[in-house]
This record gives sequence, structure tokens and C-alpha cells, in this order.
Amino acid sequence: DTGVSQDPRHKITKRGQNVTFRCDPISEHNRLYWYRQTLGQGPEFLTYFQNEAQLEKSRLLSDRFSAERPKGSFSTLEIQRTEQGDSAMYLCASSLPLLEQFFGPGTRLTVL
Amino acid sequence: AQRVTQPEKLLSVFKGAPVELKCNYSYSGSPELFWYVQYSRQRLQLLLRHISRESIKGFTADLNKGETSFHLKKPFAQEEDSAMYYCALDPVFGKGTKLTVNP
Repeated sequence: DTGVSQDPRHKITKRGQNVTFRCDPISEHNRLYWYRQTLGQGPEFLTYFQNEAQLEKSRLLSDRFSAERPKGSFSTLEIQRTEQGDSAMYLCASSLPLLEQFFGPGTRLTVL
Repeated sequence: AQRVTQPEKLLSVFKGAPVELKCNYSYSGSPELFWYVQYSRQRLQLLLRHISRESIKGFTADLNKGETSFHLKKPFAQEEDSAMYYCALDPVFGKGTKLTVNP
């Protein structure tokens, strides 16, 4: 296992378009997290799953954001009708409950 | 809801000096606290977690439930310690402190 992977690594899109990101966690990890990070800021929690169940979703997350983890393995994060303020690094992490999170390399989104 | 506060955005020390990065938390339950580090152009990675009570790269952190703090300390800073440090109360992260260790 090579760790947490994310695809794509970079995404440039025009305002108003929809984008989808994928995260593949470490295989035995049942928790999967999504964060957003902008320059000079800490990871901002978006949502997390335990197996296929979405246990918590940040109140900061607008209705344009949705995440799925249909089989309890990989996860997707979709942003609909992107806005320039969505430009950020989107991080995925996985863990076993209450243990350390292992982070992926991130997907850098640029909304023009 | 959990909240993590790192009051210092920037911290600069000289090599060999002691360093303390502050972290305060707000949580009604039993906290599971972590320190993560992000070196330039690298992924976030775990530095230490309170439950293990171990020292990593000379860093230690003590959970003080009375003061709701989990400060990170190192007695003698090294230049290679320069990085971003994040305190985390799963799943919430603080905004981070950028540590610069000057020669």
C-alpha cells in the first residue's frame, strides 16, 4: 500500500462548472476525511466518513459540496457551480478510529 | 463542537533556544489531541499524540485538562524544525503556527 492517493493533483476550471475529486485511502482504514486548505491556513474540516456512513459535515460546507463513499473504500468530493472562492487545496486523509490521520498529497483547485 | 486555538501564527527562535508552540482546545468530552507537522512541500504528517506520551524529534506535549491546553515543547530548537505545526482535536485542526529556527 502506497498510502493515501488523490486524483487529480491539479484541476483548473471555469466558474460555474462542476468538479469531482477522488480519494483512495489506506485499505484497512475505515475513517476518511476531507479538508480544504488555503495558503497560510490550517486544514479546514469539511466532512468525514466511517466506512460508508457520513458521520459529520461542517456547517461551513455549502449545499454545493457533496461527498460520497459508496462502498466504504474510495471517496469522491463534488463541488457544483464552482466559485472563485472555492480555489484551494483539497486534502483527503484516512485513519483507524482515534488514531493518527494519514494525508494524501491533495488536489489543487483553481477556479478562473 | 470541538475548537482548537493556536494563538501564534508565527514564531521565530534561534538555534539551540527552547521553543513552545501553544494550543488550547474546547471540547466537552475526553479529548484525543495530536500535533501534526508540515515541512515545505511535504504532506501533513503526525508529530505526536497525547495518548502515547512519547517524544518525537525531541518534541513533547503535555495535556493539561484544567487549562485545556496541549502545548508543544522542545528544549533546544534545530534549523530542521522549521515548519508549519498544527494542533488537532480530531477531526478539527488549528490554524497552525509557522516556526522558523534561525541559525
